[in-house]
Amino acid sequence: GESVGLHLPTLSVQEGDNSIINCAYSNSASDYFIWYKQESGKGPQFIIDIRSNMDKRQGQRVTVLLNKTVKHLSLQIAATQPGDSAVYFCAEFFSGAGSYQLTFGKGTKLSVIP
Amino acid sequence: KAGVTQTPRYLIKTRGQQVTLSCSPISGHRSVSWYQQTPGQGLQFLFEYFSETQRNKGNFPGRFSGRQFSNSRSEMNVSTLELGDSALYLCASTHTGTYGYTFGSGTRLTVV
Repeated sequence: GESVGLHLPTLSVQEGDNSIINCAYSNSASDYFIWYKQESGKGPQFIIDIRSNMDKRQGQRVTVLLNKTVKHLSLQIAATQPGDSAVYFCAEFFSGAGSYQLTFGKGTKLSVIP
Repeated sequence: KAGVTQTPRYLIKTRGQQVTLSCSPISGHRSVSWYQQTPGQGLQFLFEYFSETQRNKGNFPGRFSGRQFSNSRSEMNVSTLELGDSALYLCASTHTGTYGYTFGSGTRLTVV
């Protein structure tokens, strides 16, 4: 399949454990933040997002935390499963002066050990 | 509802040639963005089109261009291909360009 994570940091977790993936963002004026999951051979798939005026949002087995003070975003995956193995990207969306742009972080490769 | 469709899935081109990639957005989506993904640079924004107008552009040389048609389908073109253009090219569509980006599976371009 496609190899998109040759130079990415890797997080290895045991099946059933919780995973925490971290991301630093750059633009304090970004409107919202999104986590994407990318499996081999596929495009990024939306997981969860959070608006800049929130600090926590929960989905099914996933939680995103936003710390605007230090410009840090994290994705927590509960009870990690083999199907969670993928590359995870954070992205920040900024709109201003007619410009709309989604900027991605470098990504983290999550490997789940059965 | 059908997702974002990118064609072709794979391409092999020779240095110096030009290439055109196609993206069909989700029905009703008017904004199409293009990204280049490489192992070294990650996902980098190329440009965004909305209602046939380029609304935003990333920091890529003029060899990279695009357009959008009245049915919202988009094409991107790379002229005078270089080895460093080898990458996965991803297209994403949204309704307005401000929320809900959905990506296609990409076109893998290899320049030899």
